[in-house]
Amino acid sequence: ETGVTQSPTHLIKTRGQQVTLRCSSQSGHNTVSWYQQALGQGPQFIFQYYREEENGRGNFPPRFSGLQFPNYSSELNVNALELDDSALYLCASSLGGIGGTMNTEAFFGQGTRLTVV
Amino acid sequence: AQKITQTQPGMFVQEKEAVTLDCTYDTSDPSYGLFWYKQPSSGEMIFLIYQGSYDQQNATEGRYSLNFQKARKSANLVISASQLGDSAMYFCAMREASYDKLIFGTGTRLQVFP
Repeated sequence: ETGVTQSPTHLIKTRGQQVTLRCSSQSGHNTVSWYQQALGQGPQFIFQYYREEENGRGNFPPRFSGLQFPNYSSELNVNALELDDSALYLCASSLGGIGGTMNTEAFFGQGTRLTVV
Repeated sequence: AQKITQTQPGMFVQEKEAVTLDCTYDTSDPSYGLFWYKQPSSGEMIFLIYQGSYDQQNATEGRYSLNFQKARKSANLVISASQLGDSAMYFCAMREASYDKLIFGTGTRLQVFP
């Protein structure tokens, strides 16, 4: 079991609403990455935070935003929810960021399963 | 373009037998890392094994080994002596040196039967 915890584990929201997902990273890790995993698909990179700054972003619209706090925990915020946002959202913590070592293992949390109705 | 391809949507294997899960990748970056993760129904991604692009030896971790063929851009996972608890989704992923994110394939569902 990793030290990465995500909350909540399950969530149901209505289209158009806003949602905040939370992630506590593994102790000592300074990098948090967020992924969206639609049913039957592999995870897709949303963005990454390194020492409280966004450090890269995937092909997701601006209504997906995030924060990283001084203790390296992180939030993912999604505004104006759409039905296609229904997915498992995974948080991964690692020790790296720009120039990090290639074999830096990313530890994943158990995910938040978001359903938009 | 960076891409991971897993062509086996599902695989069956009998307990105690070995199984190979296929993965091919595409990248123009000479420095990259390849990962395999296991995802049980609980959703958590569990790290299994890592192979660096400059590693001379194939990676091994217990019952897991990675058959790395750089010229063919393949990184197949071999699980020896399968156990019932190995039943799960398996994802191949790549990280490039120039960009600290993981690119995942679509996964292979492995089912181990007695």
